[in-house]
Amino acid sequence: GAGVSQSPRYKVAKRGQDVALRCDPISGHVSLFWYQQALGQGPEFLTYFQNEAQLDKSGLPSDRFFAERPEGSVSTLKIQRTQQEDSAVYLCASSLALSYGYTFGSGTRLTVV
Amino acid sequence: EDKVVQSPLSLVVHEGDTVTLNCSYEVTNFRSLLWYKQEKKAPTFLFMLTSSGIEKKSGRLSSILDKKELFSILNITATQTGDSAVYLCAVEASGTYKYIFGTGTRLKVLA
Repeated sequence: GAGVSQSPRYKVAKRGQDVALRCDPISGHVSLFWYQQALGQGPEFLTYFQNEAQLDKSGLPSDRFFAERPEGSVSTLKIQRTQQEDSAVYLCASSLALSYGYTFGSGTRLTVV
Repeated sequence: EDKVVQSPLSLVVHEGDTVTLNCSYEVTNFRSLLWYKQEKKAPTFLFMLTSSGIEKKSGRLSSILDKKELFSILNITATQTGDSAVYLCAVEASGTYKYIFGTGTRLKVLA
């Protein structure tokens, strides 16, 4: 596609529910990133993939967060047993290669009630 | 600890005004500094700066980097209501791929 596509755009989850957020990067982009943006804050790094390999997951806030990119294209960020503090916009970005600059998707706004 | 600090946090101006947004940083092995504009949700790329003293321009927007004093500024001249957005500054350290973002400057341009 022409841009980075994320779905759903909005997700309301009850506390304790599991959610899955999808990111479809620009075709051919090797690098894929997930960021979390809390209200009024800048995005914070969660995890990074190069093709299907998850090279860095140091930003994932807890073991309830899990990300995968099994075929090196579409990625899914899964949050288990959601908590209110998980409420944020989750941004996905892709890049042709490192140091090329990211293209961000429009994000998924997760609200945990 | 690597960090990026932006100022002011918010700014309200009238159309036609010129604004200067500031970004200071502390990062090990600086590689690049980037400016993004965020209107709804997706940050859109404005500039990437790697060298000191070289101004990047795009229409009414311009930016410059000072690697000695560890800061960058983003200037917007003849502001328009469409410039209303959050402007994010991010820094990349050499040998990493992560961007460290500031909290952004929220700019509101009044008609």
